[in-house]
Amino acid sequence: KAGVTQTPRYLIKTRGQQVTLSCSPISGHRSVSWYQQTPGQGLQFLFEYFSETQRNKGNFPGRFSGRQFSNSRSEMNVSTLELGDSALYLCASSFPTTGFETQYFGPGTRLLVL
Amino acid sequence: AQKITQTQPGMFVQEKEAVTLDCTYDTSDPSYGLFWYKQPSSGEMIFLIYQGSYDQQNATEGRYSLNFQKARKSANLVISASQLGDSAMYFCAMRETGANSKLTFGKGITLSVRP
Repeated sequence: KAGVTQTPRYLIKTRGQQVTLSCSPISGHRSVSWYQQTPGQGLQFLFEYFSETQRNKGNFPGRFSGRQFSNSRSEMNVSTLELGDSALYLCASSFPTTGFETQYFGPGTRLLVL
Repeated sequence: AQKITQTQPGMFVQEKEAVTLDCTYDTSDPSYGLFWYKQPSSGEMIFLIYQGSYDQQNATEGRYSLNFQKARKSANLVISASQLGDSAMYFCAMRETGANSKLTFGKGITLSVRP
């Protein structure tokens, strides 16, 4: 079974631009979560989608948004990029269970904002 | 308040030896899940092992085992017979119940395996 895929893998943008990152979950997984990882702040939760609905949201400004499509693929968008948005963005997918779902991560997208 | 604490500095272990990576957590929720992930320099987070708060036995997955001490709120990862490929960052994470539950990560521990 193919793992979580993220595109693009690397991205360079300039301040003020916007960016869209894509995540394709493992086949059959319906939940997709997004995380931002920086050396200073560590891993921070952005949002989680389940069946096209945002199920949970982290403490990030409104410039960060996401969506999920009917095939469970997800995109996240960052508008008006700031230098501090430079980070590794990780996407994770999980299969609904009655207990705690194990999240499986993609390889990440490295975003550099100049 | 910090929910997951990983305070060890960079850890070093000799190849083929065992190593324990510490993790303590804080929650008032009686039901929660604990996870360990490995992150090599490539960046991808690799799931290693899961322990539920109501699980009677400590979780094991191949060379990985979890030393779960519920009363002390600790969930230490034990890697037996270390390999050079085990060199990576290791993250402990927890998820509680509730509609707003999310996976919360510790700051991670760097493990270096020496040949």
